[in-house]
Amino acid sequence: AQSVTQLGSHVSVSEGALVLLRCNYSSSVPPYLFWYVQYPNQGLQLLLKYTSAATLVKGINGFEAEFKKSETSFHLTKPSAHMSDAAEYFCAVSVNTGGFKTIFGAGTRLFVKA
Amino acid sequence: DGGITQSPKYLFRKEGQNVTLSCEQNLNHDAMYWYRQDPGQGLRLIYYSQIVNDFQKGDIAEGYSVSREKKESFPLTVTSAQKNPTAFYLCASSIRGINQPQHFGDGTRLSIL
Repeated sequence: AQSVTQLGSHVSVSEGALVLLRCNYSSSVPPYLFWYVQYPNQGLQLLLKYTSAATLVKGINGFEAEFKKSETSFHLTKPSAHMSDAAEYFCAVSVNTGGFKTIFGAGTRLFVKA
Repeated sequence: DGGITQSPKYLFRKEGQNVTLSCEQNLNHDAMYWYRQDPGQGLRLIYYSQIVNDFQKGDIAEGYSVSREKKESFPLTVTSAQKNPTAFYLCASSIRGINQPQHFGDGTRLSIL
């Protein structure tokens, strides 16, 4: 069965520091992976998606993620954190079970300290 | 602007009552989804629909029901059989396909009085 695991339910960084949010996937077929962001009391917004065209995927707001098949990982990074990056981030994998659905990780809440 | 509208934003239910959460999209998407979000548990799929007049149970369908009579609309009913309905409910839609991202509404927060 396909799944995603996000390591760390909470991550805290200082403003200007590197952001690294970890995601590992389990899949018997080439995965379709996504990162979403959720601000308080709102729905999720797409940050980026992996489509196999390139292993390094660039998204919105300066975020990027690198697909590493050998490590079954799709970690999300941003070189320099901004206060506005404080939110919850979800890694997700899309699966075909006779219909298409998406399985979400448990989420990682990012705190940014001034 | 195209998007997904969920209403109401806050909803209160007395025990033993059914309540219906509205979800409307004008993105012309075939697929629509309902998720339940609880703290620390991410999103759990309740029901999804790939096409009008068809829908499938997700991982936690017990105590919920849906209909998909129109492409634009996918209402969710939380029945009295759902013993712990207090949660944040999110509706999403997408183009059909395994590599298509989902577009989300801003959610409905349901609480029990």
